[in-house]
Amino acid sequence: KAGVTQTPRYLIKTRGQQVTLSCSPISGHRSVSWYQQTPGQGLQFLFEYFSETQRNKGNFPGRFSGRQFSNSRSEMNVSTLELGDSALYLCASSRLAGESGELFFGEGSRLTVL
Amino acid sequence: TQLLEQSPQFLSIQEGENLTVYCNSSSVFSSLQWYRQEPGEGPVLLVTVVTGGEVKKLKRLTFQFGDARKDSSLHITAAQPGDTGLYLCAGAQGAQKLVFGQGTRLTINP
Repeated sequence: KAGVTQTPRYLIKTRGQQVTLSCSPISGHRSVSWYQQTPGQGLQFLFEYFSETQRNKGNFPGRFSGRQFSNSRSEMNVSTLELGDSALYLCASSRLAGESGELFFGEGSRLTVL
Repeated sequence: TQLLEQSPQFLSIQEGENLTVYCNSSSVFSSLQWYRQEPGEGPVLLVTVVTGGEVKKLKRLTFQFGDARKDSSLHITAAQPGDTGLYLCAGAQGAQKLVFGQGTRLTINP
């Protein structure tokens, strides 16, 4: 079956702009989690959605937001971009909410903020 | 402060050597997962350990969960260049989100 698909794969923005990233989970998976990966901080949890509801949220400012649609596809948005937002943003889907299921990751969206 | 500390952060060894990567915490986890991430790709699950003292083998890889479920190790025997990648441990605490370590970047030189 098709894996997790993230778009776009690469993008470049300037400070102050906003960006929207998209994630299509594996068919049948209802849980979508977002992570930020940087060399210095590793994988940091952003938020998790299950059945269109945010279940968990990490320690990121309100500039980071997300949503999930009825078909389980998810988007995350970052407003007023800062240089420190440059990172690989990973989406992961699983059948179940929470930690009990294996996470299937997409290839990520690499964001560069200039 | 990282909830899960991985060591070493970087490891470069020759093909054929053995190595061990550690994942330590002061917290107890209900389960612990190991992922491997290759350049340009997302992490891929290698194994999940759930019982204290549990040992799982995946070909040349041996995973162990500590008796107190606070730590884990990954041992690779006769490392090969294909083992090169970023190894991540991730701990689960009940219904909370997975917490990832910073990773061990492993390079196997031919």
